Amino acid sequence: DQQVKQNSPSLSVQEGRISILNCDYTNSMFDYFLWYKKYPAEGPTFLISISSIKDKNEDGRFTVFLNKSAKHLSLHIVPSQPGDSAVYFCAASAGYGQNFVFGPGTRLSVLP
Amino acid sequence: DSGVTQTPKHLITATGQRVTLRCSPRSGDLSVYWYQQSLDQGLQFLIQYYNGEERAKGNILERFSAQQFPDLHSELNLSSLELGDSALYFCASSANRQGVNTEAFFGQGTRLTVV
Repeated sequence: DQQVKQNSPSLSVQEGRISILNCDYTNSMFDYFLWYKKYPAEGPTFLISISSIKDKNEDGRFTVFLNKSAKHLSLHIVPSQPGDSAVYFCAASAGYGQNFVFGPGTRLSVLP
Repeated sequence: DSGVTQTPKHLITATGQRVTLRCSPRSGDLSVYWYQQSLDQGLQFLIQYYNGEERAKGNILERFSAQQFPDLHSELNLSSLELGDSALYFCASSANRQGVNTEAFFGQGTRLTVV
């Protein structure tokens, strides 16, 4: 039973355009959501997070949107750069101090 | 550099053997998590410790065990190894102080190959 889903295994975007990565979750107890970027043979790197009391959080080129009623969040990267090419994982936790449940990841390729 | 240190980086061992993976969390972080990633799949949660106590268990096999020591470093013990245990094992840590959700920071992982 996959509680965090990323239905697009891969995504290709032209450099300079917007990348939109999507994530859906099923557990209504999740209240904290995160995005991680992972390069091959490296550990995941934290990008941005959002609490369920917000619907948007922005950090530089990265913006995360949360739609609680739809149990959906998305990560927008604007503008996309070739160095953004990596696997992006969505993660969620159900309360303070709880473990993080990860989605299967989306491989983003930013084409020059 | 995330501040989370995992050793060793690579490990090759035979089936039936036992190995220990070590994790030093970021300074001051109380929570340690262990995850397994097999063949470019997602990150499967194994187990979480908080300040020395087991906090949550995921899909961790009975052949696997972990502990967190008073200095907050953690070890993951894998025994009776099988070929299917070959994977990347990641450790992560987070502060989790004062009831505030905080992100987890990951180490570089230990690549285990069972032959």
